[in-house]
Amino acid sequence: EDQVTQSPEALRLQEGESSSLNCSYTVSGLRGLFWYRQDPGKGPEFLFTLYSAGEEKEKERLKATLTKKESFLHITAPKPEDSATYLCAVRQLRPRGSTLGRLYFGRGTQLTVWP
Amino acid sequence: DTEVTQTPKHLVMGMTNKKSLKCEQHMGHRAMYWYKQKAKKPPELMFVYSYEKLSINESVPSRFSPECPNSSLLNLHLHALQPEDSALYLCASSQDVLRGNNQPQHFGDGTRLSIL
Repeated sequence: EDQVTQSPEALRLQEGESSSLNCSYTVSGLRGLFWYRQDPGKGPEFLFTLYSAGEEKEKERLKATLTKKESFLHITAPKPEDSATYLCAVRQLRPRGSTLGRLYFGRGTQLTVWP
Repeated sequence: DTEVTQTPKHLVMGMTNKKSLKCEQHMGHRAMYWYKQKAKKPPELMFVYSYEKLSINESVPSRFSPECPNSSLLNLHLHALQPEDSALYLCASSQDVLRGNNQPQHFGDGTRLSIL
């Protein structure tokens, strides 16, 4: 069972058309939710860490928010250079026997912004 | 530019070859990771090193052998790989697996591995 689900799988936006990406999670004892951007043939680039419900982080045209069950990545007036795959990952409180430092990744949202 | 450097960027090898992937970071991080990523899939954790000691092996086949010579370097030795091992191999680092467990992992740009 997936612990992190991202939607939509793919999103096409016209330049300037604002939208949101969703990341829902089922892990208990959240110890951080992380957003990454990944360009083709590159490694994931760290964007944000969110720790607790109600927290918000902003960077240029991106704003990430967190509730107890999901996170949103809001993209305001996107540009073609924002085209990438956006990955969400969570780390949970370590129950007995689980692995340290393990991130649970969603499958990502592939964003395309056309001029 | 990423602060985690991986070499080589591309590698093509036969199933009988032995090769190594290298990863280096100079951020003072004490945790380092190997991931495997197939096309249009999220990264899959392979190994975690904490303070130069292997702390996690996600049931990875023995044809993959990790090594952490010091706190800045991480290697992945490859031997007798299969075509299905073709993928992007990503290295990542973070401050600390234990105390700083909320710290993000920073990724390199990976090695694109093709097995013939």
